[in-house]
Parts: sequence; structure tokens; C-alpha cells
Amino acid sequence: AQSVTQLDSQVPVFEEAPVELRCNYSSSVSVYLFWYVQYPNQGLQLLLKYLSGSTLVKGINGFEAEFNKSQTSFHLRKPSVHISDTAEYFCAVSRSNDYKLSFGAGTTVTVRA
Amino acid sequence: GAVVSQHPSRVICKSGTSVKIECRSLDFQATTMFWYRQFPKQSLMLMATSNEGSKATYEQGVEKDKFLINHASLTLSTLTVTSAHPEDSSFYICSAPSGGAEQFFGPGTRLTVL
Repeated sequence: AQSVTQLDSQVPVFEEAPVELRCNYSSSVSVYLFWYVQYPNQGLQLLLKYLSGSTLVKGINGFEAEFNKSQTSFHLRKPSVHISDTAEYFCAVSRSNDYKLSFGAGTTVTVRA
Repeated sequence: GAVVSQHPSRVICKSGTSVKIECRSLDFQATTMFWYRQFPKQSLMLMATSNEGSKATYEQGVEKDKFLINHASLTLSTLTVTSAHPEDSSFYICSAPSGGAEQFFGPGTRLTVL
């Protein structure tokens, strides 16, 4: 079975500052990796995904993530955040042979002016 | 991208009653759908996999007789919480893959059991 660890439960950040959300995973098989964002009382929206190929993945809203196989990490970054980026962020993995997602505990990002 | 809807978005019910939540894939067919449960300020926990034309598969610790799942068609899965109790109050979210590794999530259903 795979597991996901999000190392930061809460990340306060000032507007226009950079942010990095850390995610590590463990799995005995190859995996797909995802970052989702959730706004209050809403479902999940995909920010980006890594399936194969280039380890640097660019997503929506200026987010990017880098897959590091040796460190089993998939950290999410944004060079300059906006107030509207305040939300809950989830890292998730699925095995490459099925679609079941395992989620990390989530990171709450609060952007302040 | 593909769209998944859920109905209702919010439901309040009395303890002991049953509640049905629908999950629909609006512009694609889904032979598989997933049901998740999310408690306040917590992550999503997979409850079960809904399979069109066959029985749902439940994750360990999830009571299949309490959480009935029916995948009636290639675009509809329903989750029925039977004899609901206050501890069943939660945010229920469904998802469906649209042919690739990516899943599309519904907007969620907030269940409150009084």
C-alpha cells in the first residue's frame, strides 16, 4: 500500500511571497502523483499531476511541482502567492495500475496581505 | 475537463433515517466511481469503490450494510447512508476517472444528522 506525508499542516505566507508545500510518499510500486486544492465546502480541483516524463510539472494558477524519485518527494511551489490562494492543499498518490487515491493530511495555506 | 455532479449539496436529517446521495458523471461514462468521506479539517478517506454492473468494494473498516452503494448506470452512482446517526455527519465526496489516471471530483455533499 502507498502512503503520503504532508510535512506542514499549516503554512502562513504573505501576499506575493513564494510558498513551498512539502509532500513525501512511500510505495512499493510505481505511482502517479497529484496535488489538489480545496476551497471551503467545495470538492477538489486538480492543480497538477505527474504521470511520467519530465520531473518538473507545471499546473494551473502558477503552481509547479518537482518529482524526485530518489527522495520520494513531490513538493509543490508557487513563486508569488495571491490572497485567493488561501485554501487547503492535498497531495495524493495512486498506483499506476489502478485509480485509488491515497491522500496526505492536507496543508492549510493562509495568505495575508 | 470532465464534470462530476453530486446531489444534494447539503442535507439535514433526523437520527435513524436514511439518506441517499447521488453522484453523476455529466459528460463521460464512468464504470468506476469512488466515494470518500471527509471530517472537518481532515483529509479524504476512501470509503468504497463503486463498480457498474457489480458489487461495490469497501475499504477496511467501512460497514457495507450501513453505506449502501449502487452503480445504476455508466453515469450514476448512489450512496445511501442507512439509519444515520450523528457520528455519520460528514462531507461526502465522489470522484470518477474519465479514462486516464486523473480523477474528477464532485462538489461534495454535507450531511448533518441531528
